Amino acid sequence: AQSVTQLGSHVSVSEGALVLLRCNYSSSVPPYLFWYVQYPNQGLQLLLKYTTGATLVKGINGFEAEFKKSETSFHLTKPSAHMSDAAEYFCAVNPTGANSKLTFGKGITLSVRP
Amino acid sequence: NAGVTQTPKFQVLKTGQSMTLQCAQDMNHEYMSWYRQDPGMGLRLIHYSVGAGITDQGEVPNGYNVSRSTTEDFPLRLLSAAPSQTSVYFCAITQGWGGGYTFGSGTRLTVV
Repeated sequence: AQSVTQLGSHVSVSEGALVLLRCNYSSSVPPYLFWYVQYPNQGLQLLLKYTTGATLVKGINGFEAEFKKSETSFHLTKPSAHMSDAAEYFCAVNPTGANSKLTFGKGITLSVRP
Repeated sequence: NAGVTQTPKFQVLKTGQSMTLQCAQDMNHEYMSWYRQDPGMGLRLIHYSVGAGITDQGEVPNGYNVSRSTTEDFPLRLLSAAPSQTSVYFCAITQGWGGGYTFGSGTRLTVV
């Protein structure tokens, strides 16, 4: 069975500061990994994904994530936070071959201070 | 191309009532899923389908039924609503193999 751990429920950064949201996963088979963002009262929007190939993945809005197999991690980063980045972020894992079984972490709320 | 359409957007039910949450897609994806989102719990898989006529249970299936008679539609039925089913429900589709999931805008359900 697969699982996702997102430590902490809330992260607060200053505008212009580095954003780092951590995600660790467990999966019995090579995983597909995703980060989703959810703005208040909206649905989920895909930020980026890792399937195969390059382990550093770039997504929308300046976000990127690096797949580290040895650490079973897929941390999300952005060099400089913007006020519009305030939202809830979810890491998710989909074991290869289990196409309908996307398992989510509990989510992290990002706040950005002026 | 609407992607995934969920109806209704909001619903209030009384305990014991039944209702159906609708999910329709126009992307011809085989895989469809229902998730519920609760504060501090992330999204949890209720039921999923890998194609017309094929459904299976996810992590939290109790109290919910699904069917998949067409590729386009995947309704979620609450047989006898309970306050514990107060949640936001999302339908998601994928073409599979790491293609990413597209989510509907959600249905906010309150059971009183």
